Amino acid sequence: GENVEQHPSTLSVQEGDSAVIKCTYSDSASNYFPWYKQELGKGPQLIIDIRSNVGEKKDQRIAVTLNKTAKHFSLHITETQPEDSAVYFCAASPRSGGSYIPTFGRGTSLIVHP
Amino acid sequence: NAGVTQTPKFRVLKTGQSMTLLCAQDMNHEYMYWYRQDPGMGLRLIHYSVGEGTTAKGEVPDGYNVSRLKKQNFLLGLESAAPSQTSVYFCASKTGIKETQYFGPGTRLLVL
Repeated sequence: GENVEQHPSTLSVQEGDSAVIKCTYSDSASNYFPWYKQELGKGPQLIIDIRSNVGEKKDQRIAVTLNKTAKHFSLHITETQPEDSAVYFCAASPRSGGSYIPTFGRGTSLIVHP
Repeated sequence: NAGVTQTPKFRVLKTGQSMTLLCAQDMNHEYMYWYRQDPGMGLRLIHYSVGEGTTAKGEVPDGYNVSRLKKQNFLLGLESAAPSQTSVYFCASKTGIKETQYFGPGTRLLVL
């Protein structure tokens, strides 16, 4: 089955700095890679995703890059703000066609200091 | 449109007691999932369902049972709770076409 490794487990940055979270996956059949943000006491919420036919995707201050050859993908947050503080999860899965079973990384706790 | 809701929000059980966690979604989603979240372990899939009347095991199904009698509801049962089942439980749902999962707010369970 799929195995997703996520690093770092904790990331502390100053407001305005950039933050990068990296994930690697093992199954070459995976072609859908979502990122979730989980605020304290809440459920995870999708913030951005990327499919295998795209190398990079941006949404305002958030971007995701994918290197299928190396089997890794990364989340980039620029101009971080205190409200970006949360736990971030990556996931990998084959695209929905049958059962959709994403495998999640263990999470990164991002702390943005004012 | 409430999205995905979970009942209860918090529960304390004694070892050996049973309980049922309820997940409800009003988005007419076909797929529903139960995950548990433990510190440093991420989200681990317990059971899932691809449609009304169907269920399947995930990564960590032991000690849990599920039922999907109605499309909008997915129930997670603990027949005999153990301290190892102390966790935060999340339900999620999605359509059959798109990949985006929508998560509920979670149920915090403490087994003493």
